[in-house]
Amino acid sequence: EVQLLESGGGLVQPGESLRLSCAASGFTFSSYAMSWVRQAPGKGLEWVSAISSSAYNTYYADSVKGRFTISRDSSENTLNLQMNSLRAEDTAIYYCVKGGLPDYFDYWGQGTLVTVSS
Amino acid sequence: AIQLTQSPSSLSASVGDRVSVTCRASQGLSSALAWYQQRPGKAPKLLISDASNLESGVPSRFSGSGSGTDFTLTISSLQPEDFATYYCQQFNAYPITFGQGTRLEIK
Repeated sequence: EVQLLESGGGLVQPGESLRLSCAASGFTFSSYAMSWVRQAPGKGLEWVSAISSSAYNTYYADSVKGRFTISRDSSENTLNLQMNSLRAEDTAIYYCVKGGLPDYFDYWGQGTLVTVSS
Repeated sequence: AIQLTQSPSSLSASVGDRVSVTCRASQGLSSALAWYQQRPGKAPKLLISDASNLESGVPSRFSGSGSGTDFTLTISSLQPEDFATYYCQQFNAYPITFGQGTRLEIK
């Protein structure tokens, strides 16, 4: 059974940093692209970033380019999202998702909430 | 970026009704379109990939059609558990984009 478990969310002030992680299991992690998708409170879905299976290629939405960095550790089956210079508009539930290079997303984690507020 | 426009934005229907949601893309996608269902407080769930491919375990009352710029999600006979928000997503090119969502409510 595929499982994606996010962690690292919380409340931070504008300009601060946060690192999200996603522990993957139930599939061969090193063989699949992975992505982050977010959803602001009461709003729709927004793709944030994707990383290829080898980690060689990374992609970002314009809204986070230069501030967020996606990475993966295939030895630990972990996907990460380093978020710097956070803004109020980054407040959202962040989902770890399997797929996206570009492709559809066949499995989703339960999400972790990031709140950016002073 | 490719824009996806869903219509309607919200829809009221009754159990047993047949409903359709459309998704129009600002440029051609071939068949690179997926549909998701999101129930309140839950993560989205993939229903249909490649415009018309029903995912394993998804009830056959769901179907997808279309190619190019115009796509449709159809639910043939609404069940109580189908009242949720539905999103289309294109994966033809980066940035990956989603439609704004269609909220399906009980009449």
